[in-house]
Amino acid sequence: SQQGEEDPQALSIQEGENATMNCSYKTSINNLQWYRQNSGRGLVHLILIRSNEREKHSGRLRVTLDTSKKSSSLLITASRAADTASYFCATDASGGYNKLIFGAGTRLAVHP
Amino acid sequence: EPEVTQTPSHQVTQMGQEVILRCVPISNHLYFYWYRQILGQKVEFLVSFYNNEISEKSEIFDDQFSVERPDGSNFTLKIRSTKLEDSAMYFCASNPVSTDTQYFGPGTRLTVL
Repeated sequence: SQQGEEDPQALSIQEGENATMNCSYKTSINNLQWYRQNSGRGLVHLILIRSNEREKHSGRLRVTLDTSKKSSSLLITASRAADTASYFCATDASGGYNKLIFGAGTRLAVHP
Repeated sequence: EPEVTQTPSHQVTQMGQEVILRCVPISNHLYFYWYRQILGQKVEFLVSFYNNEISEKSEIFDDQFSVERPDGSNFTLKIRSTKLEDSAMYFCASNPVSTDTQYFGPGTRLTVL
């Protein structure tokens, strides 16, 4: 079965720095989504990138997708303390309306 | 902005008891899901639901679990006889026809004693 695996598992940076998180997966996908989870809270959708897209931007977020390497990266630029959270990638293999397979997540700590 | 809502936010139950977790998906969404997250672990898919029937379920979703859409707004997950290992955060999600993005509720924390 496919899996998304993020690295690093934990990342600690200062406010204003950029944070880069990576995700790898095992099988072909239709799309890949990134979610944020504040401690003990719900999952907030950040961005979706389709398998035929290579890069996508949303505000301070930049996501890349390399289907040949089965990997994706999430870049948060000019980080803020409020960005402190866990970030998960989730893959959808079958073209929508189907299960998401989540990775283990990266815990990001942004220090003021 | 419309949101997926879930009740209760926290449920404590005794082992062997039945629990029903409730979700109200976003009103124009047609695809519904339940996921769970055991503390410190990955979010795991449980079941997907469309057109009043289960479209896919995971190995976790055994005979102790069931889902129902009893009316036009609610989507429920029932665990018939809870076990200690059912303790987790349970998330409901939904998406409309027009997008693959799944929108998650805030979760119900289930504690089985």
